[in-house]
Amino acid sequence: NAGVTQTPKFQVLKTGQSMTLQCAQDMNHEYMSWYRQDPGMGLRLIHYSVGAGITDQGEVPNGYNVSRSTTEDFPLRLLSAAPSQTSVYFCASRGGSVYYEQYFGPGTRLTVT
Amino acid sequence: SQQGEEDPQALSIQEGENATMNCSYKTSINNLQWYRQNSGRGLVHLILIRSNEREKHSGRLRVTLDTSKKSSSLLITASRAADTASYFCATQGANNLFFGTGTRLTVIP
Repeated sequence: NAGVTQTPKFQVLKTGQSMTLQCAQDMNHEYMSWYRQDPGMGLRLIHYSVGAGITDQGEVPNGYNVSRSTTEDFPLRLLSAAPSQTSVYFCASRGGSVYYEQYFGPGTRLTVT
Repeated sequence: SQQGEEDPQALSIQEGENATMNCSYKTSINNLQWYRQNSGRGLVHLILIRSNEREKHSGRLRVTLDTSKKSSSLLITASRAADTASYFCATQGANNLFFGTGTRLTVIP
């Protein structure tokens, strides 16, 4: 199993540009989520999904959209990039129970200039 | 915010010593988990303790949970240079996992 994969690993955007961060998992996990990690802030939840076709907002959803058309994929879209979105983005997945561990992808380092 | 807080923010010890990190949180939880993050990498799950458990062991790791004080601790015994990393506690709510700000552990060979 590849686990949780994320692309790209690095990205530089100009203010106002849009892009999609890709996330895929091959473990048939129902739950997937996106976090951003900023220095000194820990990881903050952006959006999550409990299954295909179902998404919901986390702590910091503004400026981001998600969709879940398949179990495997959970892309994160930045609609109009802002410097405040400069961060490292992590995708994670787990099985259906809250007593399962989460598996994290390697992260995408995004810089918005 | 539902984030927990780790204490200390940074810890530096000699190889072979024990390292203790603490986590405090604010809301009721299903379970509490600890993760490790090596520099520039993703997070790796270490251990999960359920809300009805008080202590759990895994290899050189010992985790305690006190739900009355809303706090947890992670003990790493006989530390190694390879344990150098950031350690995060995370509290599990109804659906989601909320992370603390982390403890940066440096183990000096």
